[in-house]
Formats: sequence, C-alpha cells, structure tokens
Amino acid sequence: DIVMTQSPLSLPVTPGEPASISCRSSQSLLHTDGNNYLDWYLQKPGKSPQLLIYLGSNRASGVPDRFSGSGSGTDFTLKIRRVEAEDVGLYYCMQVLQMAYTFGQGTKLEIK
Amino acid sequence: EVQLVQSGAEVKKPGESLKISCKASGYWFISYWIGWVRQMPGKGLEWMGIIYPRDSDTRYSPSFQGRVSISVDESSNTAYLQWSSLRASDTAIYYCARHTPQTGSDYWGQGTLVTVPS
Repeated sequence: DIVMTQSPLSLPVTPGEPASISCRSSQSLLHTDGNNYLDWYLQKPGKSPQLLIYLGSNRASGVPDRFSGSGSGTDFTLKIRRVEAEDVGLYYCMQVLQMAYTFGQGTKLEIK
Repeated sequence: EVQLVQSGAEVKKPGESLKISCKASGYWFISYWIGWVRQMPGKGLEWMGIIYPRDSDTRYSPSFQGRVSISVDESSNTAYLQWSSLRASDTAIYYCARHTPQTGSDYWGQGTLVTVPS
C-alpha cells in the first residue's frame, strides 16, 4: 500500500491568515501521463467529505479560488490563501494512483 | 442533478448480516466507479473498496478484503456494501462516492450509520 502522511495534524488559524497542509506519499504519485494522482478533501463537521482538489492541482467545481493545490511526485501542499470561518473541518489527502487508494490521517483546521 | 442517496441507519447484533445501499441518479451510472469509505467514531477516513458498474470490476483494500463485499445492480443504478457476519468493530459511518481517477470523488452520499453493540 502507498502510505500517506499529513502534517500538521492540528492547524489553528486566525481568520484572514493563510494556511498550508503538507501531504507526503511513500511512493511517487506521478503517472507516465504527466498527472499526479492526488486528491484533497474537506470534511466539515457532521457532513460528508467534499472534493477540493483533484490531480494534485485542479480545483473541483464550485471550490473557491482561495484553495490551491501544488506539488509533484511524493510531496504535495494544500494552501488556503485567506482562511474563513467556513473552512473549519478535517482535510484529507488521498492517493488515487493505485487501487487500493489510501487517505492521509487528516488535518484538523480550527479557527483561533 | 447528480445524487447518491444511501440507505438508512442500521442497528444490528454481532454475527448478523447486513447489506447497505447507495442509489445513484442524474448521470450515466455505468461510466463512473463507486467507492466506499469507512469512518469509525471520532476517526479519519478509510478507503474500503471500489466497483466499476460497467463490468463489475471490483477492488478492495487489503484491510477490508474478505470482510466485506461490494456489488452493483445496474438495473436500479444501485451499489451495495455487505457483511456476512458483523462485529462490534464494524460500528461506523459508511460513505459511498462517485469516482474517476481523473476527476476525483466528486459526489458523495450522505452516509449510513451502522451500529453493532458489543
């Protein structure tokens, strides 16, 4: 299995400030087609997960442009340009290169 | 409108069998994978397995292989997750999601809470 490691696991952020979450994979997620098979999801409290970013850097439909994904190979980052109160929840990266897919442990973003 | 509607909460006894469902609408069912994800109380997301309705190609996480079975009924646009013998440790919320590797898991069901008291 590909192991996904996120950091930090807890992220207190002041509204309006930026935030960054790191995700590392135990194997490269770069496919021969040039895409990195890495997704980011947000699970708001009491809700189903929602897709934020696919293929490492592509924002899903309806996702605000303050969210961005970057990275390649084994190191990836999710950035929030200016955190808003509605961004609280658990953030997960997930590798979708090899079935069985695997999630990171999750990063809990909270508002200071 | 794409929707995935899951079956309702279940309370079962250890050793009992269970089949929960995920009914899809608003898109061509056979063209997208349907994946299943577990979330135990207070814990993170765990990927369980996935099925491609067009040909029933099914893949499982090694952690769930042999413990659960994933299937589809193309005639009713429904995917299923089933257990033959539940354990207390199966207590969790189970989510289904529409997926392609190129577009991610873009639509999710509302989750099904399965409770197996010890």
